[in-house]
Amino acid sequence: NAGVTQTPKFQVLKTGQSMTLQCAQDMNHEYMSWYRQDPGMGLRLIHYSVGAGITDQGEVPNGYNVSRSTTEDFPLRLLSAAPSQTSVYFCASSYSISLGYGYTFGSGTRLTVV
Amino acid sequence: GENVEQHPSTLSVQEGDSAVIKCTYSDSASNYFPWYKQELGKRPQLIIDIRSNVGEKKDQRIAVTLNKTAKHFSLHITETQPEDSAVYFCAASNGLGNNNDMRFGAGTRLTVKP
Repeated sequence: NAGVTQTPKFQVLKTGQSMTLQCAQDMNHEYMSWYRQDPGMGLRLIHYSVGAGITDQGEVPNGYNVSRSTTEDFPLRLLSAAPSQTSVYFCASSYSISLGYGYTFGSGTRLTVV
Repeated sequence: GENVEQHPSTLSVQEGDSAVIKCTYSDSASNYFPWYKQELGKRPQLIIDIRSNVGEKKDQRIAVTLNKTAKHFSLHITETQPEDSAVYFCAASNGLGNNNDMRFGAGTRLTVKP
């Protein structure tokens, strides 16, 4: 049982490049989210999903796309990287937020855009 | 969407003293309030949570209280130890319908001096 697995752990991109951050969980959790963490700003929600085929925007969705074709995977796509997207990205999953189960976080991806 | 404010941003206590971190939320429909601990360079980890039908919950040295009328909740750590030093995040979520996103406070850096 690996929990929530994120790849890569580190990435450097040039401005304008695109890439996909991978997230997979093996706990059969319906709820998955992507957060970014910047100094002094806590964790800000980018996109979330309540099940396969269902996604919604969080508070900072611009510049990011997501899809949820399976329960296990929830990739985050950066369409055209900008320096403002330099951050640590965390993927998280939960059995059920509505039933009061907290998120389990992945180990994070540290992204630098130059 | 939900807005969560957290105070103080930094907190320094002497080993053995108590520490209190406070959060307020804006959405009166929020019904789930977890607390996370994040050590340097690691992922956030759930340490305690409370649902809106409960006023207080305790787990050994940590406790959380909730005041729904005032829309605030607090984390209490008693008999602090150096290993309690970390960044603590509060969060709030409204699990009704498909509105299952979770919003976090900006974090409190707790330092416990030996």
